[in-house]
Amino acid sequence: TAGITQAPTSQILAAGRSMTLRCTQDMRHNAMYWYRQDLGLGLRLIHYSNTAGTTGKGEVPDGYSVSRANTDDFPLTLASAVPSQTSVYFCASSEQDNTEAFFGQGTRLTVV
Amino acid sequence: AQSVSQHNHHVILSEAASLELGCNYSYGGTVNLFWYVQYPGQHLQLLLKYFSGDPLVKGIKGFEAEFIKSKFSFNLRKPSVQWSDTAEYFCAVKTTKAAGNKLTFGGGTRVLVKP
Repeated sequence: TAGITQAPTSQILAAGRSMTLRCTQDMRHNAMYWYRQDLGLGLRLIHYSNTAGTTGKGEVPDGYSVSRANTDDFPLTLASAVPSQTSVYFCASSEQDNTEAFFGQGTRLTVV
Repeated sequence: AQSVSQHNHHVILSEAASLELGCNYSYGGTVNLFWYVQYPGQHLQLLLKYFSGDPLVKGIKGFEAEFIKSKFSFNLRKPSVQWSDTAEYFCAVKTTKAAGNKLTFGGGTRVLVKP
C-alpha cells in the first residue's frame, strides 16, 4: 500500500528560485496537511485542506502556497525560496473526525 | 486557535526506567488527541490516539496515555523503557471537522535511552 508519497526526497535549491513539493495519497482521505519540521520547533502547520477545492492557512503560511484540485494531490509551492525555508517538509492526510493522520516520508529542502 | 505544549524538550534515562512525557493543549471544544513517535531518520508513526470513552488509552510498544479533560492534558507513559525507545515524541491535537479539522503538534520531546 503506497499511502502518501512525497517527491522529491531531497533537494538543494538556489535562493530566489521557485519549487513545488509534491504530495499524493491513495487513501481517498478528505483532509491533507503540510508541515515543516525544524529542530526545537516541532512540526508547524503551513497549510491544510479539508476537502478538494478548499485550503486554509496554518501557523506559518508566508512564502508558501497550496492548491487542491482533486482529492489525491496537494502540492506545496515556494514562489521565491529563501534560506529560512530550509527544513524538512512533511505531508499528511486523514479522514476527518475521529481518525489519525498518516505521514509521508518527508522532503529535505536546503535553500542556499 | 489551539496550541499544544510539551513540557520537556530533552529527556535522558536508563533502560528499565519509567518514562512520562507531559502534554497540555489549549482548546475549549471537542478534540482528538494523539502521540506520534519519530525514530531517527524516519517519518512520524502513530503511537496511540484518543477520540472518546475510556480516558486511559493503550498504544503500541507498551505505551499508554491518560486524557484528563479538566487539566487539558494528555500525558504519555511507559513503565520500563528500552534502548529502542530512543526517538522524538510529539503530542498532537485535532479539532473536529466543524471547527476546521486542524491538526496541531507540540514542539516535541527528544528521548535518549542509555543502554
